[in-house]
Amino acid sequence: AQRVTQPEKLLSVFKGAPVELKCNYSYSGSPELFWYVQYSRQRLQLLLRHISRESIKGFTADLNKGETSFHLKKPFAQEEDSAMYYCALRGSNYQLIWGAGTKLIIKP
Amino acid sequence: DADVTQTPRNRITKTGKRIMLECSQTKGHDRMYWYRQDPGLGLRLIYYSFDVKDINKGEISDGYSVSRQAQAKFSLSLESAIPNQTALYFCATSGAAAGNQETQYFGPGTRLLVL
Repeated sequence: AQRVTQPEKLLSVFKGAPVELKCNYSYSGSPELFWYVQYSRQRLQLLLRHISRESIKGFTADLNKGETSFHLKKPFAQEEDSAMYYCALRGSNYQLIWGAGTKLIIKP
Repeated sequence: DADVTQTPRNRITKTGKRIMLECSQTKGHDRMYWYRQDPGLGLRLIYYSFDVKDINKGEISDGYSVSRQAQAKFSLSLESAIPNQTALYFCATSGAAAGNQETQYFGPGTRLLVL
C-alpha cells in the first residue's frame, strides 16, 4: 500500500527551539517525497522536495529509506514558521499521496 | 499566487442540487487536479487531467464529474450534492518537468457546504 503518515496533528514549540515534523511513508519503489506548507490566509505551496536536497527557510528534510521517513527539521524555530505542513509522496501513477498534515505553532 | 483561480470561493447548497466549481489557470500548465480536504484527512485526489483529452479518476471520484473545457479550465461538478460532500475543494496545476519533479500550484480553495 502507498501511504503517508504524519503522526502529529499539532506540534507546539517555543521560538528558538528546534522543530521536527515527522513523516513516514509506505512505498515499494524508489520514493519521491515533498513537503508542502500552508501559511495563514495563503495558498498551499511547495516547501521542499527530497531530490533537490535543498534548505528552504532554514528547513531541511532527509530521506531515510531504512526508516521510511522524511522528517522536516529546523534548528531554530521562528514565529513565521507557524503554519500547516503536509508531507506528500508521488505514487506509482505519478499522483501525489498526502499525509493528514501537522499544524505547527511557534510560541513567542 | 493569482495564477490559479477558483470560483466560487464559498458555496452553500442543498442536498440533491447540481453544482459546479470552476478552476482557471494562467500558468500555461498542461496538468490540472481537483482535491478535497477534510479535517484530519489531508488532501484526497478526485480527478486529474494531463491535457484536454486526458481525464482520469482519482482516489475518490464517486459522486463527482469533471470537464476540461480548455487547457486553462477544469471544472468539477457534483451532479446531486449530498451532505458528506461538504468539504474544502482545491484545484491545482503542474507542468511536466524532468524526472516528474513538477511542483503543484494551488488555487485558494472553495468551501462547500451541503445542507
